[in-house]
Amino acid sequence: ELKVEQNPLFLSMQEGKNYTIYCNYSTTSDRLYWYRQDPGKSLESLFVLLSNGAVKQEGRLMASLDTKARLSTLHITAAVHDLSATYFCAVTRGSNYKLTFGKGTLLTVNP
Amino acid sequence: SQTIHQWPATLVQPVGSPLSLECTVEGTSNPNLYWYRQAAGRGLQLLFYSVGIGQISSEVPQNLSASRPQDRQFILSSKKLLLSDSGFYLCAWSVDRPPETQYFGPGTRLLVL
Repeated sequence: ELKVEQNPLFLSMQEGKNYTIYCNYSTTSDRLYWYRQDPGKSLESLFVLLSNGAVKQEGRLMASLDTKARLSTLHITAAVHDLSATYFCAVTRGSNYKLTFGKGTLLTVNP
Repeated sequence: SQTIHQWPATLVQPVGSPLSLECTVEGTSNPNLYWYRQAAGRGLQLLFYSVGIGQISSEVPQNLSASRPQDRQFILSSKKLLLSDSGFYLCAWSVDRPPETQYFGPGTRLLVL
């Protein structure tokens, strides 16, 4: 059974600081995804990481993938209040593209 | 461009009543379709997925069912709702074309009283 663990589950940051969210998964995965969810809203796709060593960046967020360690990181640089949201990682195996999600990391950026 | 619709946006239903939630996708053909549930303060649970018309796979045994009567229409139903069915129901779609991701609809918030 494919399991995905995120940590921390809760993260309170000050604006301007850097931090990293970690996503570990239990077995070989085909793809790794990062999503953002604002309170009361749906999920928005941030990144899709396809291979070992993949790195993607969008604004203050950078995601990386280490398939050997079964680990992905989401690094936040110089956090701003607008980044406050819940961040989910998810992995998939096989041809049906079923995603297994982590429990999410609730990020709060304080002024 | 592709869009995904869900309705209703919000629903309050008594225990024991039936349920029908609808999801439609525009701008793509033969998508994979998914129903997820997100209970308050919890992660996402995959309920059903479909790779084609009439093809439904159930991930979690429960009092819910799903149907796909048309290529871009996915329906979630129940004959009798339970209190534990309350949650945020999300429909998603994907296509068999890498790179691949799932795109989520706006969701239906269901409260069973």
